[in-house]
Amino acid sequence: SQQGEEDPQALSIQEGENATMNCSYKTSINNLQWYRQNSGRGLVHLILIRSNEREKHSGRLRVTLDTSKKSSSLLITASRAADTASYFCATVGMDSSYKLIFGSGTRLLVRP
Amino acid sequence: DAGVIQSPRHEVTEMGQEVTLRCKPISGHDYLFWYRQTMMRGLELLIYFNNNVPIDDSGMPEDRFSAKMPNASFSTLKIQPSEPRDSAVYFCASRRLGTGDSPLHFGNGTRLTVT
Repeated sequence: SQQGEEDPQALSIQEGENATMNCSYKTSINNLQWYRQNSGRGLVHLILIRSNEREKHSGRLRVTLDTSKKSSSLLITASRAADTASYFCATVGMDSSYKLIFGSGTRLLVRP
Repeated sequence: DAGVIQSPRHEVTEMGQEVTLRCKPISGHDYLFWYRQTMMRGLELLIYFNNNVPIDDSGMPEDRFSAKMPNASFSTLKIQPSEPRDSAVYFCASRRLGTGDSPLHFGNGTRLTVT
């Protein structure tokens, strides 16, 4: 079963604009991770944020985490056509299972 | 590092046939996961292994599904008999033992079509 929902389900922006995707989850987490999936390929890990962190940066990516609201956001700045993909958040629970549960994903289209 | 390798990339079979999907995880990774992806249900965790031992198979849909990991470098997911509703993309992923921070590395999936 999916842990969370992502919003929006689909996003279309112009190259150079920023893209923001949101993720909500249901249970307490150890960490939250964002993955990217290009069409016909497997998922690729982008960034991880721990439950005691509020914000993290990696290149053009900025992730925030609000554990009180059980939500996270992924911001891609200065988007490029090559950023076109689906983006998923995934959570690791507080138990020791180490299993990742994925959200429903956001399909991002960056128009050249 | 060749990454996680899955085979076949595509499988088309008729209802009632047995299907076997294969996965070779990244060398040195201790955890192996099988996921199923469909438009309707998204990414579902089916089962995962730690050091070749199945830890949680609560996501396996029914007894028609079974998974094995006979050694650290090979795993199979079998569906017998297959049904049209099993049509999906099946992903294998592996990760290194750690505190839960180590990311998953995914294969490129097997697209299964059951007619």
